[in-house]
Amino acid sequence: GAVVSQHPSRVICKSGTSVKIECRSLDFQATTMFWYRQFPKQSLMLMATSNEGSKATYEQGVEKDKFLINHASLTLSTLTVTSAHPEDSSFYICSAYRDRGEQYFGPGTRLTVT
Amino acid sequence: ELKVEQNPLFLSMQEGKNYTIYCNYSTTSDRLYWYRQDPGKSLESLFVLLSNGAVKQEGRLMASLDTKARLSTLHITAAVHDLSATYFCAVDAKLVFGAGTILRVKS
Repeated sequence: GAVVSQHPSRVICKSGTSVKIECRSLDFQATTMFWYRQFPKQSLMLMATSNEGSKATYEQGVEKDKFLINHASLTLSTLTVTSAHPEDSSFYICSAYRDRGEQYFGPGTRLTVT
Repeated sequence: ELKVEQNPLFLSMQEGKNYTIYCNYSTTSDRLYWYRQDPGKSLESLFVLLSNGAVKQEGRLMASLDTKARLSTLHITAAVHDLSATYFCAVDAKLVFGAGTILRVKS
């Protein structure tokens, strides 16, 4: 099956710093990638849709200036959490959309802001 | 706004018995997904259902889709301990997720 990687898998940062998370589709090209956030014992919430070569589309309530998304190539999307605060601590998961209606998820990045 | 409801939210199963998880959604959609999540892990794709009446089976799990009723079911046959996990349904290309169903299989 298709593989999507995320890096890093875990990151601890200090409040006020920025963190970049990478999402790569390893064996297919993904014109669309999605970023989700999952708090403990909760479901996944879509944060934004990342389209290659264009601006990301953010869901209601997600601050686009805080969560910067760049989809520079057909295999790479990045999420940068700027000026992170403890309430941003969460599990961030990306997915890459392939044709035939299939989506493939990355392994997730656990962010802890101290 | 698309809403997705799963029930039950928690299911304690006995080994060897059969169970069903239900996923209802509020607006028309042409695709429905089922995923499994183990603690601390990302999502594992189980099924993609793309048409009314679609039925897919893998091992002890079988998923079906009724687009007219806006309902999908995930049926578990003869539960085994390895099936303990959280199961999510998700609807639409943007994947609007249900709340998840926590499955625990007891010996």
